[in-house]
Amino acid sequence: NAGVTQTPKFQVLKTGQSMTLQCAQDMNHNSMYWYRQDPGMGLRLIYYSASEGTTDKGEVPNGYNVSRLNKREFSLRLESAAPSQTSVYFCASRPRVVGTEAFFGQGTRLTVV
Amino acid sequence: GQQVMQIPQYQHVQEGEDFTTYCNSSTTLSNIQWYKQRPGGHPVFLIQLVKSGEVKKQKRLTFQFGEAKKNSSLHITATQTTDVGTYFCAGEGGTGRRALTFGSGTRLQVQP
Repeated sequence: NAGVTQTPKFQVLKTGQSMTLQCAQDMNHNSMYWYRQDPGMGLRLIYYSASEGTTDKGEVPNGYNVSRLNKREFSLRLESAAPSQTSVYFCASRPRVVGTEAFFGQGTRLTVV
Repeated sequence: GQQVMQIPQYQHVQEGEDFTTYCNSSTTLSNIQWYKQRPGGHPVFLIQLVKSGEVKKQKRLTFQFGEAKKNSSLHITATQTTDVGTYFCAGEGGTGRRALTFGSGTRLQVQP
């Protein structure tokens, strides 16, 4: 039982390049989330999907897009990477949209130069 | 929007000393959760508090939820080097967003 799996673990991009961060969970959870973590700022919500077929913006959605491909997978796309998007990105899932614990992936460390 | 503030940002203690981190929300919460992140790791769930005034204990860790459901605290008694990491609170409710809002975290360093 792998839990939440993120790929890649590390990535270096040049400014203006695009990439997609992949996330998959094998716990049959309904809700999935993308957070970014920057020093001293905790975890900030980028986008989330309360259930399959829905996506909603979080606190910091600008410069990102998401796709809930199916119940298992939730991807995050950077269309034109900027240095301000240098961060550690965490995907998380929860059994239900409220009142349940979040399970996090191992994170993707992204550097934009 | 909802803000969750956490203090202190950093604390360095001697092994055996106590440690407390505090969390305050700008809005009333339906529940609050606590997570621990070891250096280089990912956040791991510790506990959830739901009721006003609730107190829960896990060995040396004591969690409290305020009467107004807007603040919470985590207290560690007699810290050990295994307690090193960043502790986050995460609140839910009070907005239309159905997701956890995390505090900025408190990084705990324990000197042996």
